[in-house]
Amino acid sequence: KAGVTQTPRYLIKTRGQQVTLSCSPISGHRSVSWYQQTPGQGLQFLFEYFSETQRNKGNFPGRFSGRQFSNSRSEMNVSTLELGDSALYLCASSRDSLPYEQYFGPGTRLTVT
Amino acid sequence: AQTVTQSQPEMSVQEAETVTLSCTYDTSESDYYLFWYKQPPSRQMILVIRQEAYKQQNATENRFSVNFQKAAKSFSLKISDSQLGDAAMYFCAYSDNNDMRFGAGTRLTVKP
Repeated sequence: KAGVTQTPRYLIKTRGQQVTLSCSPISGHRSVSWYQQTPGQGLQFLFEYFSETQRNKGNFPGRFSGRQFSNSRSEMNVSTLELGDSALYLCASSRDSLPYEQYFGPGTRLTVT
Repeated sequence: AQTVTQSQPEMSVQEAETVTLSCTYDTSESDYYLFWYKQPPSRQMILVIRQEAYKQQNATENRFSVNFQKAAKSFSLKISDSQLGDAAMYFCAYSDNNDMRFGAGTRLTVKP
């Protein structure tokens, strides 16, 4: 089976802009979760989508949003980018919703200047 | 809130030797999973091993095994016969129906 894929792999944006990241889960997986990884805060849970519905949400501002399509592919959007949003954004998929094990993609490196 | 603590920022092991990485967690939930993930320098996070809280038997995957102490809320990872390819950041993770939390990670160096 193909693994989790994320596009784009690298992105440079300017403060105030918005960005959309994409994630394709492993075939047959219905849950997609998003994480932010930074040197200072480590790995932080953003949200989980299951069957096109947001099932769980971490402690992030409303500028961070997401959605899931009927084929389980997911997108994450960050509006009004801030310098502190620079991070590696990881997507993970699972055959079922939390707490089952998740399989991660390679990540999207976002740099905000 | 659930927390995961990895008290060893860095560890080092000689090739072919055994090393144990520590992890403690805090939760009031009774139903949860615990995981160890490995993140090599290439950045792809890889699942190493998982443990369901309701199972008393410690999980084992080839050279990787865990020591799960539910009452003490401890979940350590033992790597036997360490190989150069084991060098990576190792993250302990906790998951329940509503949350997924990671520890800060332990950087493992394997010396030839």
